[in-house]
Amino acid sequence: QQQVKQSPQSLIVQKGGISIINCAYENTAFDYFPWYQQFPGKGPALLIAIRPDVSEKKEGRFTISFNKSAKQFSLHIMDSQPGDSATYFCAASKAGANNLFFGTGTRLTVIP
Amino acid sequence: NAGVTQTPKFQVLKTGQSMTLQCAQDMNHNSMYWYRQDPGMGLRLIYYSASEGTTDKGEVPNGYNVSRLNKREFSLRLESAAPSQTSVYFCASSHAAGDTGQYFGPGTRLTVT
Repeated sequence: QQQVKQSPQSLIVQKGGISIINCAYENTAFDYFPWYQQFPGKGPALLIAIRPDVSEKKEGRFTISFNKSAKQFSLHIMDSQPGDSATYFCAASKAGANNLFFGTGTRLTVIP
Repeated sequence: NAGVTQTPKFQVLKTGQSMTLQCAQDMNHNSMYWYRQDPGMGLRLIYYSASEGTTDKGEVPNGYNVSRLNKREFSLRLESAAPSQTSVYFCASSHAAGDTGQYFGPGTRLTVT
């Protein structure tokens, strides 16, 4: 059973556009929500993370929006660039726990 | 700083063979993890070690064993490989459990025929 559900599976965006990836979870004990970026042949790399005490976190062109009541969170990539083309994974975990539950990934392609 | 390193990068095994995947980190992290990545499944935790001397099962531990050799090294062993273990294996480390970022190695692509 997938603890974190991610959509869409793939996404094609024009350069300069906004990429939006959505995730949903059921376990209300989750309180740490990171996003990872993975390029082909590489390991995932932490991109940005949020805790549920804030509704939004922004780092450069990357923003996480968090809706605690809906148990959903999303990644927005503003002014998407071809270099952003990668697979993005959302994840969730409980405070102090070692289990990080990943979504199934979104393959983003940004076309020039 | 090499970060998290994994060996080998690629491996082909026959059903029933055994092998050990090696992982080392040079960031003085306390916690280390082994994941497998399969198409359409995301990453799933196999085993983790919260600190030197401890190991615990993750989501999918069956068919695997681990050893936390010291603070730097965490190995994953397949005693009798099966085709269902064909996957990409990632090692990761973090300063502590839970809410700190996990740093991933480059992965080992394993094929079991």
